[in-house]
Amino acid sequence: DIQMTQSPSSLSASVGDGVSITCRASQSISTYVNWYRHKPGEAPRLLIYASSNLPSGVPSRFSAGGSGTEFFLNIADLRPEDFATYFCQQSYSAPPTFGQGTKVEIK
Amino acid sequence: EIQLVESGGDFVQPGRSLRISCAATGSGFDDYAMHWVRQGPGKGLEWVSGISWNGGSEGYAESVKGRFTISRDNVNNYLYLQMDSLRVEDTAMYYCTKVGQGSGPYHNRGDWFDPWGQGTQVTVSA
Repeated sequence: DIQMTQSPSSLSASVGDGVSITCRASQSISTYVNWYRHKPGEAPRLLIYASSNLPSGVPSRFSAGGSGTEFFLNIADLRPEDFATYFCQQSYSAPPTFGQGTKVEIK
Repeated sequence: EIQLVESGGDFVQPGRSLRISCAATGSGFDDYAMHWVRQGPGKGLEWVSGISWNGGSEGYAESVKGRFTISRDNVNNYLYLQMDSLRVEDTAMYYCTKVGQGSGPYHNRGDWFDPWGQGTQVTVSA
């Protein structure tokens, strides 16, 4: 199975800040990475698919990229609803696997 | 747009069985592969199982293979997960989710999960 390793595991930031999360794959996976935001008690939400694509309805303050084994998710101008846990996920090969998550907390 | 609602989660003893369900509303359920993903207490997301649009292809995580069975009813728009020989480590919130792309086997390179349901809690304890 392909392992996905996120860093940092957690970070603290203030409303209006920008943050960056990285995800490393245990082997090359081209651009087959997706990102999700998960708030407690809610359904996870797709933020990014295929490394850098925003689904309809996702704000442009989210951006992402990368290829091969290194990927990133940037969030600009943090809003209160962005304080949550973020997961990367590879769709290169079965089984689909997730990173361990990055918790973004309010400073 | 498809919306997903899980149900059937419960508190069960180790070794017992449980079936959880996911009801899909909206059109197109039978066009897409569907999956179950879980999150144990204090843990990250773990893929559990997936099924192709017509049920012809299934996949399971090693941790549940031989104990869990995924199925779907494309007439009534339901996804199921039959969980047998439950273990304490199966305790988790279970989410159903649809793939972003269309028909094909349960896993397609480049697929993503969207949308997700809000989950149903399964607790396995003596």
